[in-house]
Formats: sequence, C-alpha cells, structure tokens
Amino acid sequence: EVQLLDSGGDLVQPGGSLRLSCVVSGFIFNSCAMSWVRQAPGKGLEWVSIISGGGGITYYADSVKGRFTISRDNSRNTLYLQMSSLSAEDTAVYYCAKSPTGYSYSDVNTKILKYYSDSWGQGTLVTVSS
Amino acid sequence: QSALTQPASVSGSPGQSITISCTGTNSDIGGYNYVSWYQQHPGKAPKLMIYDVSNRPSGISNRFSASKSGNTASLTISGLQAEDEADYFCSSYTSSSTLVFGGGTKLTVL
Repeated sequence: EVQLLDSGGDLVQPGGSLRLSCVVSGFIFNSCAMSWVRQAPGKGLEWVSIISGGGGITYYADSVKGRFTISRDNSRNTLYLQMSSLSAEDTAVYYCAKSPTGYSYSDVNTKILKYYSDSWGQGTLVTVSS
Repeated sequence: QSALTQPASVSGSPGQSITISCTGTNSDIGGYNYVSWYQQHPGKAPKLMIYDVSNRPSGISNRFSASKSGNTASLTISGLQAEDEADYFCSSYTSSSTLVFGGGTKLTVL
C-alpha cells in the first residue's frame, strides 16, 4: 500500500524558516517524481514544486522561487521542502504528492516529468504569524 | 502563471449529469494533453480522478469522464450520487515547466 506521511508543519514567525518532510512507503521511491502542493485555509490548491526521481531536476512556482528548496533522500525514502523568508501568504496546508513512474512528452523529442499526482499525503499545516 | 478558470459552483440532483469546465490558455491546456482532475472532500487530501485529459486511474468509476477542446477542458459526472459532493480541481502542465490549478468548483448534490 502506498503511504505518504508529511510532517514538520508549525507556527513560525514572518521571515522565519521551516523544513517539511514526507516519508513514503509502498512504492519504489527513486522511480517517481514527487511534488509539494499547498492549500491556504478555505482556498484552492496551489502547486509549489516538483523534483525528479533522481533529484537532479527541480521546478518551482514563481511565488516560492528563491525561497523554497525541494530535495529528496532516496536512501531514506524521504522528500523535503526547505522554506525560508516565510510570510503570511505562505500559510497553508502543505501536501506531498507522488507522480506515477515514467515520463510524459511535451513534444515528440522532449521528455518531461509526470506532473499529476496519484497519491497524496495527509497534509501538514504551516502557519506564519507573529 | 494565472490559475485556470473554473465555475465556483455547480449543482445537480441524484441521477443527473453535470459538467465542470476549466479554461486556460495556449500555454497550458491548449498546448498539452496533460490535464488532470482532482476530487477533494472537506478536510481530506485531493484524489486523482482523471489524468492526461481523459484517462481514469484504476478504481475510479466510469461515471467520471473528461475531455478537452482547444483551451478548455471539461469533467462530466453522470448518474450523480450523494458521495460525489465535493470540490473539484483541474490542473494542467504549462510551457514554463510548472503546474497550474484551477480555482476549484464546489459540487452540490441537491
């Protein structure tokens, strides 16, 4: 059974930092791209970042670029999100999410990560407030 | 990257069909066949319902179907059931190598 357990959410002051973790089981971790998606209270989903199975490819939403860093430790089956320079706008439930194995193609010759997520963690709440 | 446009709410009676639209641009929905749909019940994590425009993951009822025309994708739920009441989000890969979600649609089963 695929399981994703996110953790690390907390109350943090504006300008502060926080690291989220997501421990997974039930699938071959290094074969799957992984993402972070967040949801502000009462709002919709917002994609944050994605990382390839090997960790060498990462992409970020403009809203977090330069402040957040996605990483993974395949030996520990763990995904991370290091967040810094946090502001109230970053307050949200953060979900880790797994992509299926394999790749998609943006055109005949260009392989891309699979951006959709077939399994999600339960979410961890990050509150940025003084 | 602006969010995809979805209606804020739709409703239908049990047994009826409803369709939720999701409008983007040539840089996302119109440019790629990588539209996905998610269902989210209150307090729960999202659940994948459709991927790559019209494909259903294993275990998802065939009452859920989806398509795309130009810059607009659509999710249709037929034979509405009470348990279908939830929020639905579309998403699309973009030319910036990012993912963009729609604002979400609240489905009410009357």
